[in-house]
Parts: sequence; structure tokens; C-alpha cells
Amino acid sequence: DADVTQTPRNRITKTGKRIMLECSQTKGHDRMYWYRQDPGLGLRLIYYSFDVKDINKGEISDGYSVSRQAQAKFSLSLESAIPNQTALYFCATSDFSGTGQETQYFGPGTRLLVL
Amino acid sequence: GESVGLHLPTLSVQEGDNSIINCAYSNSASDYFIWYKQESGKGPQFIIDIRSNMDKRQGQRVTVLLNKTVKHLSLQIAATQPGDSAVYFCAEGYNNNDMRFGAGTRLTVKP
Repeated sequence: DADVTQTPRNRITKTGKRIMLECSQTKGHDRMYWYRQDPGLGLRLIYYSFDVKDINKGEISDGYSVSRQAQAKFSLSLESAIPNQTALYFCATSDFSGTGQETQYFGPGTRLLVL
Repeated sequence: GESVGLHLPTLSVQEGDNSIINCAYSNSASDYFIWYKQESGKGPQFIIDIRSNMDKRQGQRVTVLLNKTVKHLSLQIAATQPGDSAVYFCAEGYNNNDMRFGAGTRLTVKP
């Protein structure tokens, strides 16, 4: 979905390096998410943010941090990358309407390889 | 190619046939369900959703069936086309605070 963009699309880094993955959205959504996807597994939630001042840990937040710089921007950092953080990372936004339905819209993903 | 889903269940169908993809969900309190399609090299794409107070919902060429008794969700694709080839996965949500995603099924459509 072109409304949610991620940079970089691919990244190779070395163990111990700090890296940042960036996500921008033009959908005007308050809620943003970071997930990782591993082969044979479902998406797992790393962090989520319901608005600029609200940051919450997800299922697998250890080793990651996030920053919500603006409504449209949500970045994910790996403070000291390790090989088992090699994965496909997705950013998502949602249009929570308060009616009990929340559809998430995903970016194209960032493929990260940690050597 | 895309390495996501190397060990996923697979479904292979002939072009023009109907496809049925199944999903078992875990939380009996889940009240919202979504089916996503993920093509190689792309992010998941919303297909259709259903709330727990419904047992069937139809979209364009797709139908989602929900059986709460056995915690089962299915996606039916009518007249499957080569462009339908992708990984399909379901997501269950509860109280707007927790979405859980299945690993998915890889659908291959043979011409």
C-alpha cells in the first residue's frame, strides 16, 4: 500500500550495530504498529502506538525500541543487532473507529539480515 | 523469491476452480476477524473482515465463513485466478487491543 512506506526496503548489518527502520504514512491514522515476520510464523507484534504520546510494548519488544516522531512517522531501532533479529519487518497503521473493527494497513516491509 | 512461509501449508488449485482456505483461531473471546493476502515481496493486504455476531460475509469473489463453535474461519475464493496466488492468513482480534495473526496458507493457482 503506497500510503504506508518503509525505508530501507533491504538492509544488511553486522552483529552489534545499531540500525533504524523508518515508517511513514499518509493515511492520517493515529495507530501505528511494528511487526516482524519469520518463515512459518505469523506476524508478531513488537511495539505499537495509539498516538504520538502513547507507546506500548508488544509481544516481542526485547532488543527493540521505537520513536513516534509525529502522527505520520514511527521508527523502529535495533540498539545492538543480533543474528536472530534477521527477519522481515512490517509497519502498519489502523483506522480504529471505535466500533469494534480495526483494519490494519501494512507497508511493503523491510528485509533485515544481521550477520 | 520471498522466503516468508517456507514451511506453510499449501493449497494448489486449477485456474477457474473455487478455493477454500481454512484457519483455526485460538481465543474464544475474539470478536473480530480479518483475512489478509500477502503476495511475494509485498506487505499483507486486507481482503475481508467479519465480526463475531455474523457467520458469513461476502465480498467480490470472496466469502468468509465463521464457525464460533469450533473456532474456525474459512476464506472461499470463487473462480480462482493466477493473480490470487499468494499467502493468505487470518487474524483474530479481541476488544481492539490485541490482534493475533496466523502463519498462513500458500495458495498456488495452476493455469
